[in-house]
Amino acid sequence: KNEVEQSPQNLTAQEGEFITINCSYSVGISALHWLQQHPGGGIVSLFMLSSGKKKHGRLIATINIQEKHSSLHITASHPRDSAVYICAVRSIGFQGAQKLVFGQGTRLTINP
Amino acid sequence: EAGVTQFPSHSVIEKGQTVTLRCDPISGHDNLYWYRRVMGKEIKFLLHFVKESKQDESGMPNNRFLAERTGGTYSTLKVQPAELEDSGVYFCASRLAGTDTQYFGPGTRLTVL
Repeated sequence: KNEVEQSPQNLTAQEGEFITINCSYSVGISALHWLQQHPGGGIVSLFMLSSGKKKHGRLIATINIQEKHSSLHITASHPRDSAVYICAVRSIGFQGAQKLVFGQGTRLTINP
Repeated sequence: EAGVTQFPSHSVIEKGQTVTLRCDPISGHDNLYWYRRVMGKEIKFLLHFVKESKQDESGMPNNRFLAERTGGTYSTLKVQPAELEDSGVYFCASRLAGTDTQYFGPGTRLTVL
């Protein structure tokens, strides 16, 4: 079992739908990252969270430290949101090194 | 400002051959990371440089992998000899000291036949 689990692994939705991607982790962390990778593209950092909620445009990320769970929400989804979304945690034991432990990613497809 | 660059973008080699991957971090970023994603698996940490020093190399799979960062600028990752299971996408990331965001390169797709 991975230290970071994402669900679902694949998600297909229609344009305009509200999207939720979940991430659960089993290790102590100092921060959690949400990353995005478009087909054929590089990895881009969307959010870094250590508590609460962050919002950027149509993207919202939340984290519950007690439950070791984070969610990434996309409102009014658009085909350009189609990408792989990756959850990664920064382990407490590696504060100085900022070593990241990754989930397997969620492949999101938004159809027009 | 240029982002993290990696070379080559693709490499196809035969088992037993040697391959060297290169990463150029964002200028001024002391922290440089190598990661790898093999088919169907999650991205995994390989190692972390701070300037030219290896801070953490706990993720390096075996002694066929050698990473260097002479001068603390660009880094190379050499695989010698390559095995079939080394196929995957190798990512590099850099981070400015005192900040939290890692900036990823586009990756090098390595195929070992």
